[in-house]
Amino acid sequence: DADVTQTPRNRITKTGKRIMLECSQTKGHDRMYWYRQDPGLGLRLIYYSFDVKDINKGEISDGYSVSRQAQAKFSLSLESAIPNQTALYFCATSELRDYRNEQFFGPGTRLTVL
Amino acid sequence: AQTVTQSQPEMSVQEAETVTLSCTYDTSESDYYLFWYKQPPSRQMILVIRQEAYKQQNATENRFSVNFQKAAKSFSLKISDSQLGDAAMYFCAYRSVNYGGSQGNLIFGKGTKLSVKP
Repeated sequence: DADVTQTPRNRITKTGKRIMLECSQTKGHDRMYWYRQDPGLGLRLIYYSFDVKDINKGEISDGYSVSRQAQAKFSLSLESAIPNQTALYFCATSELRDYRNEQFFGPGTRLTVL
Repeated sequence: AQTVTQSQPEMSVQEAETVTLSCTYDTSESDYYLFWYKQPPSRQMILVIRQEAYKQQNATENRFSVNFQKAAKSFSLKISDSQLGDAAMYFCAYRSVNYGGSQGNLIFGKGTKLSVKP
């Protein structure tokens, strides 16, 4: 079984709709991240969380919110989706005590906003 | 703030040949980590190789090796004996050794798309 899972894998929605992307991990890692990937722009950090009570904005948090429901779950919400939020979204995890802080990525969610 | 630049949006290599992907970065820190990630058409992000800045020896993983030039702030990836399965998007990434706060986050370049011709 995959260590980091994301649901859904693909989603098409309409402008103005609220949508939630979910991430679960079985690695037991403290840290979780949400990234957005756009062609020609690489991966950009949306939000990150070091534990259930610690949530931080990343480079491009506007229009997004997150919830860390448990150590293993980290959800990303688009309160009112807009077309320029069409992108590939990745969840990642890492271990605080791993000095190299290697990040492990989920399979990604392809989101299309019409 | 640190930045990572990949100046080659696309590269192409013949199967069995060698190709080098370029990456430069900007930082005022003296110690940090550098990574190369591979993203095949499956979309999965796969760690290819890691380099600790305090190590002078270039990292190697099978057919993948890096040329780490700390003074020049350059971190290129060499793929030897290229295979069709190497076709993917490759991302260079930087991370501070200080993992408190935002310093522990990865900073990615924009990527290089590698095609492998049979």
